[in-house]
Amino acid sequence: DTEVTQTPKHLVMGMTNKKSLKCEQHMGHRAMYWYKQKAKKPPELMFVYSYEKLSINESVPSRFSPECPNSSLLNLHLHALQPEDSALYLCASSQDTLNPPYSNQPQHFGDGTRLSIL
Amino acid sequence: DQQVKQNSPSLSVQEGRISILNCDYTNSMFDYFLWYKKYPAEGPTFLISISSIKDKNEDGRFTVFLNKSAKHLSLHIVPSQPGDSAVYFCAARGRDSNYQLIWGAGTKLIIKP
Repeated sequence: DTEVTQTPKHLVMGMTNKKSLKCEQHMGHRAMYWYKQKAKKPPELMFVYSYEKLSINESVPSRFSPECPNSSLLNLHLHALQPEDSALYLCASSQDTLNPPYSNQPQHFGDGTRLSIL
Repeated sequence: DQQVKQNSPSLSVQEGRISILNCDYTNSMFDYFLWYKKYPAEGPTFLISISSIKDKNEDGRFTVFLNKSAKHLSLHIVPSQPGDSAVYFCAARGRDSNYQLIWGAGTKLIIKP
């Protein structure tokens, strides 16, 4: 059982729709991540939140809008997506430290939302 | 330019034998290495990790070996079980990044009964 919970598990949407993906963790982790994964490829980092502040945006198009309402929750708002955005969207979390030496803590992943854009 | 390479797209091993998955890297700034296992329709599951100050880490059936001079790490699974059939990803993190994991392309492990 994963300790990072993502909803919904599957989502089909049209290119004009607005939807949101949700992620929740209760491990007390202060870093949370959104990844995109295409079939037979490794995960690609999209966004990183550290202590509820956006730390990294990997040049993601503005049709993807992340939000971190509190330390346990992470949302990804979707609007006007393209068919090529169809993928598995993964949320992850990890312990975080702002000061070196960085703690060697792994990222823990949810099971993802399988997104299909029609 | 791939900084983390898993050169074997797939590996087939008899149940009960040892599975050895390999990973090579090019960036000497990497200081933390991880192995993840992924089943279809699930997220990656963390298996085991190793810091660059060590050369071996063991957890049950899983052992990771790190050879810094060769920039090579390997994951040993002994004995291999049918439930180990999955895609295995090697990932690395650099000293200059607290968040970024650089991933290999993955190796599909098939355990034959």
